[in-house]
Amino acid sequence: EDQVTQSPEALRLQEGESSSLNCSYTVSGLRGLFWYRQDPGKGPEFLFTLYSAGEEKEKERLKATLTKKESFLHITAPKPEDSATYLCAVQAPSSASKIIFGSGTRLSIRP
Amino acid sequence: ETGVTQSPTHLIKTRGQQVTLRCSSQSGHNTVSWYQQALGQGPQFIFQYYREEENGRGNFPPRFSGLQFPNYSSELNVNALELDDSALYLCASSPGGVDEQYFGPGTRLTVT
Repeated sequence: EDQVTQSPEALRLQEGESSSLNCSYTVSGLRGLFWYRQDPGKGPEFLFTLYSAGEEKEKERLKATLTKKESFLHITAPKPEDSATYLCAVQAPSSASKIIFGSGTRLSIRP
Repeated sequence: ETGVTQSPTHLIKTRGQQVTLRCSSQSGHNTVSWYQQALGQGPQFIFQYYREEENGRGNFPPRFSGLQFPNYSSELNVNALELDDSALYLCASSPGGVDEQYFGPGTRLTVT
């Protein structure tokens, strides 16, 4: 069964303390892996799409990387405004329209 | 450029009733997907519409149905509401495919 698992469930960091969020997936024939940010009471906001192992993408303090079994979202010198839930999702190989989301990592950055 | 909008923002219904949720896609986007998000969980794919046709469906029963209109706006209909249907319902639009989806703010549905 296609599955996406994110860890940790929650992470509290001090401002400026870099760390990484993990997304492991079990799908055969990955078509695309996505990272989204979701603030409380709002819809997810698109961050990155990765297609193949070895690919990396960056946006401000965030960098997403992809291997054959997992993806990491690295956050460098985070600020309080980076506090949010970060969601990872994969495109199901069986259906191009179906996206499978993980449960997310709740990130909290203390000033 | 107007983003994705959804209405209503909040809704309270009684078990057994029917509900219709609405979504206006971002300008130029012909693909709309609907998701159900329970508290503390990631969104779950309900179905997708592309140019007014259903283009894929997740593991949801037939009482979840939808429509897409010529202007690419969309509706989600849920019949015979159950308590477990209480969730945040999100729609997302894209210019085609799912590579970069833009989500609306969601409709919070409470079934009592």
